[in-house]
Order: sequence, then structure tokens, then C-alpha cells
Amino acid sequence: EPEVTQTPSHQVTQMGQEVILRCVPISNHLYFYWYRQILGQKVEFLVSFYNNEISEKSEIFDDQFSVERPDGSNFTLKIRSTKLEDSAMYFCASSFGQGGTGELFFGEGSRLTVL
Amino acid sequence: GENVEQHPSTLSVQEGDSAVIKCTYSDSASNYFPWYKQELGKGPQLIIDIRSNVGEKKDQRIAVTLNKTAKHFSLHITETQPEDSAVYFCATPGAAGNKLTFGGGTRVLVKP
Repeated sequence: EPEVTQTPSHQVTQMGQEVILRCVPISNHLYFYWYRQILGQKVEFLVSFYNNEISEKSEIFDDQFSVERPDGSNFTLKIRSTKLEDSAMYFCASSFGQGGTGELFFGEGSRLTVL
Repeated sequence: GENVEQHPSTLSVQEGDSAVIKCTYSDSASNYFPWYKQELGKGPQLIIDIRSNVGEKKDQRIAVTLNKTAKHFSLHITETQPEDSAVYFCATPGAAGNKLTFGGGTRVLVKP
């Protein structure tokens, strides 16, 4: 069964360092998302991406964050200068149709720990 | 934006009993209401969803009911089993329909 894959599963970084989280969405999906989940809390929307551009972003997704689909298969989230409060589980998701109309398929997440 | 409230935050039930989780939402234009299950160390996975043109949907031991007038929808799990222990999230897209906003989650523990 096709699945969304994410790497790394866990990354530890120092505050101020740049981090890139990688995702390979399901191959025929057209919409891509990043969500984050701080330990024990709700799943929060960060950004959606369609047709090679951001379609929506939340207030969390500030200038420190960027997304890219560099090669038609990978979908990356970059945090330019990490802060302690960026520590969370980051989930990539993809869908065939628009995100509010059908199933989102989530990866297993990348745990980011900022020291 | 859309606001989704979910209750209770934790729910402990005896194996074989039923579990009910309720969500309320703010945007009356929402027309899609999924429920996701998150097992430990994994991403959320869709278990059931309902669209606004029906009031109830069932899939074996799980069911979702929708009350559009009151703007709430509920997940019902009957004959609970230990493997039902997980965190459950409701979600809804709001008017724009281009992303899901999740509720705060319900940690369900099924005691054998």
C-alpha cells in the first residue's frame, strides 16, 4: 500500500541551526501539507502546497519556515534558525484532492528536538 | 478561522463497553467531518468520515453522527477492545476547504 515516508525520524539540533525535514508523498497525490504536534498536544496546521506554490499557511509558519518540492518527488520543510519552541513532531501529509474534501495520508513524523 | 473543540480529553473504558467522543465546530460552512486515530509513535490515520448530506455513518464497530444545526459531530466506538486504545482526533475543513483543522484529541484507554 502506498505511504508517505519521512526522514529523519528524529533529529537533535542546537538552537539557531538550520534543519531540513524531508518527505516523499504518495506519488499520484497533488496536495501536500506540513503539520506539527508539540508533545501531548493537538495536531496544528503549518502549510499547504499545491501546484508548486504555497496555497495556505498558518501564523506559526513565519519567515523562519520554508517549503520546497525540489525534484517532483520530495517535499521539504526548512527551519532556518531553530528555536527551543520548535521542538515538536512534524508530520508531512498528502492528498489527491483538496485537503478539506477527503483523506489526508500522514507520514510517521519527524521528531525535532532543539537544545 | 475554524475552531474545533473536542471532549473529553481522556476517556477510560472497560473492554466491551462503548466510548463516545464529541466535537463542536464553529464554521457552519464546513461540510466534511473526519475522525483520525493516532497510535503511539505514528501519524494520524483516517478511520471514518462523514459528509454533511448524511446524519450518520457506520463501519463495523465505529460510527459517526452529525448534527449540522448544533454544529457538532460524535464518534461512537462499540464493544471496545484493547487495540482501540489510542488518541482520536476530529477535524473539519471550514469554509475554504483547503486544509483540516484538528480538535485537541481524546486519549482513549481500554482496560482489559
